[in-house]
Amino acid sequence: GAVVSQHPSRVICKSGTSVKIECRSLDFQATTMFWYRQFPKQSLMLMATSNEGSKATYEQGVEKDKFLINHASLTLSTLTVTSAHPEDSSFYICSAPWAGGETQYFGPGTRLLVL
Amino acid sequence: AQSVSQHNHHVILSEAASLELGCNYSYGGTVNLFWYVQYPGQHLQLLLKYFSGDPLVKGIKGFEAEFIKSKFSFNLRKPSVQWSDTAEYFCAVNGVFSGGYQKVTFGTGTKLQVIP
Repeated sequence: GAVVSQHPSRVICKSGTSVKIECRSLDFQATTMFWYRQFPKQSLMLMATSNEGSKATYEQGVEKDKFLINHASLTLSTLTVTSAHPEDSSFYICSAPWAGGETQYFGPGTRLLVL
Repeated sequence: AQSVSQHNHHVILSEAASLELGCNYSYGGTVNLFWYVQYPGQHLQLLLKYFSGDPLVKGIKGFEAEFIKSKFSFNLRKPSVQWSDTAEYFCAVNGVFSGGYQKVTFGTGTKLQVIP
């Protein structure tokens, strides 16, 4: 099946720094990728849709200047958390649709801890 | 807007017991329905999906789900659970909006603990 990878798997950073998370589709091309955030004991919350060659589409309440998304190629999307604060600590997951767009394949997630 | 609700947050069963996890969604348009599973320490994996056709869909590892349109439900079932089914289960809805835009909404998840 399709594989999606994320890097890094875990990152600890100081408050005020920026962190970049990569999402790659390893054996298929994805013109669209999705970024989710999962809080402890809560569901995945869609943050934004990353579109190759155009601007990302952000969900209501998600700051686009805070969470910068760049879909650099058909196999890579990056999420940069700018000026991170402790409340940004969370589990960030990306996914990419495959097989006509109906099935999502998820990355393993990135655990971000902001001190 | 679309939403998904899962009624059970934490379910504890003995091995060989039957399982049914509830999932209800709200969305007025075309939807695709999914159940995902997340085993401890692993990432989300697709368990089964419904797009159209037979409302009773069978997935991997003996799981099945039934789409009941009139009830906006897509409950997950397994006749006899095993210890290895211990995981968190997420119901998800992929709504198709105008212009072909699709958005996936997840339920809050159900933690299943199977006791040997």
